[in-house]
Amino acid sequence: DTEVTQTPKHLVMGMTNKKSLKCEQHMGHRAMYWYKQKAKKPPELMFVYSYEKLSINESVPSRFSPECPNSSLLNLHLHALQPEDSALYLCASSSTGGEGNEKLFFGSGTQLSVL
Amino acid sequence: AQSVTQLGSHVSVSEGALVLLRCNYSSSVPPYLFWYVQYPNQGLQLLLKYTSAATLVKGINGFEAEFKKSETSFHLTKPSAHMSDAAEYFCAVSGVGAAGNKLTFGGGTRVLVKP
Repeated sequence: DTEVTQTPKHLVMGMTNKKSLKCEQHMGHRAMYWYKQKAKKPPELMFVYSYEKLSINESVPSRFSPECPNSSLLNLHLHALQPEDSALYLCASSSTGGEGNEKLFFGSGTQLSVL
Repeated sequence: AQSVTQLGSHVSVSEGALVLLRCNYSSSVPPYLFWYVQYPNQGLQLLLKYTSAATLVKGINGFEAEFKKSETSFHLTKPSAHMSDAAEYFCAVSGVGAAGNKLTFGGGTRVLVKP
């Protein structure tokens, strides 16, 4: 199994809603990532978990809250989002996340629309 | 900080023609460089990576890239374009040290293949 699975594929939410994005991998990878991609732009790193500990937070607003319950799962909790947060949210994983030369495996993303 | 610049946001090629996508990097240390491809409504997939083992790197789907330190370049080529090559292509560089698992993408190049 070389897949990263993200759910849901599409999400529409209001600015007062609370929702969560989920990501799962069963490749035994120990690093997991959240990226945000606006239309026609490259992905931008949000968070990195390495061995289930948050290792990188790219100064993301607190309305985005990551969680790594175990080595296979990564969640992104959303609360009080703004319309400009509408984007494709990509999850990725890599073997250990420490060497810099690792291949990232990406999920297909969750397309989020904030109304 | 590590960065990459992709020259040309759009490239149009005829089926069977050479595909050439340009990427220049900026790095204070020998970099790890990557090319990823993103098909519509999908996540990113690794085409190839440079990790200093060889300057000419062969990847999947017939793509290859050459690392040229003197030109700080890592251009991607494919001798003969197929219709299935139509996608967005991203050059990327990884961080160093504690930021080794931080991948920074270039702006992307959209490839259109004409029949």
